Amino acid sequence: QVQLQESGPGLVKPSETLSLTCTVSGGSVSSGSYYWSWIRQPPGKGLEWIGYIYYSGSTNYNPSLKSRVTISVDTSKNQFSLKLSSVTAADTAVYYCARAIGGSWNYWGQGTLVTVSS
Amino acid sequence: EIVMTQSPATLSVSPGERATLSCRASQSVSSNLAWYQQKPGQAPRLLIYGASTRATGIPARFSGSGSGTEFTLTISSLQSEDFAVYYCQQYNNWPPRITFGGGTKVEIK
Repeated sequence: QVQLQESGPGLVKPSETLSLTCTVSGGSVSSGSYYWSWIRQPPGKGLEWIGYIYYSGSTNYNPSLKSRVTISVDTSKNQFSLKLSSVTAADTAVYYCARAIGGSWNYWGQGTLVTVSS
Repeated sequence: EIVMTQSPATLSVSPGERATLSCRASQSVSSNLAWYQQKPGQAPRLLIYGASTRATGIPARFSGSGSGTEFTLTISSLQSEDFAVYYCQQYNNWPPRITFGGGTKVEIK
């Protein structure tokens, strides 16, 4: 059974970089035709796709966030990571990591709340 | 960007009744559509992919239909655990640019 777990600071200051890591167990980030993804949800609002990294290492980002987002993978630790630069209060959200096959996500982490505030 | 519009925003249904949720795409997404269920404080759970294929472990009372721009999620007989928010999501083109609908909250009538 694949499990994903997000980790990282719960509070980030405006203009700084948000950094989160997703640790995968029960499967490998470097095998299979999977898309390892980040999705976020502002409090009380809907879901927003941030981007994904394919098992081959190629990436694809939401155009609205592309200039600020980097997703990378560390196969030695079986982890993938999100960096979002120049954050503002609008980036306050629950951040989920998830695994997709095809275009839908069948495994999700529990989510982690990141608040942007000074 | 493909815009996904869900209706209604809130659906009030009695337990045991049928619920019908709609999702419309601003342009054709073929059958590249998924449905998720989200309960408070939980991550979304995949219900349907490919517009009509139930994900592993999803009860048969959940069914999806449609193609192109019009899609429907039907819950044939609502159980207490089905009261939640439901999101549709398209993944057309490849590599996909993903967009979600705004969600439909299914509440107890």
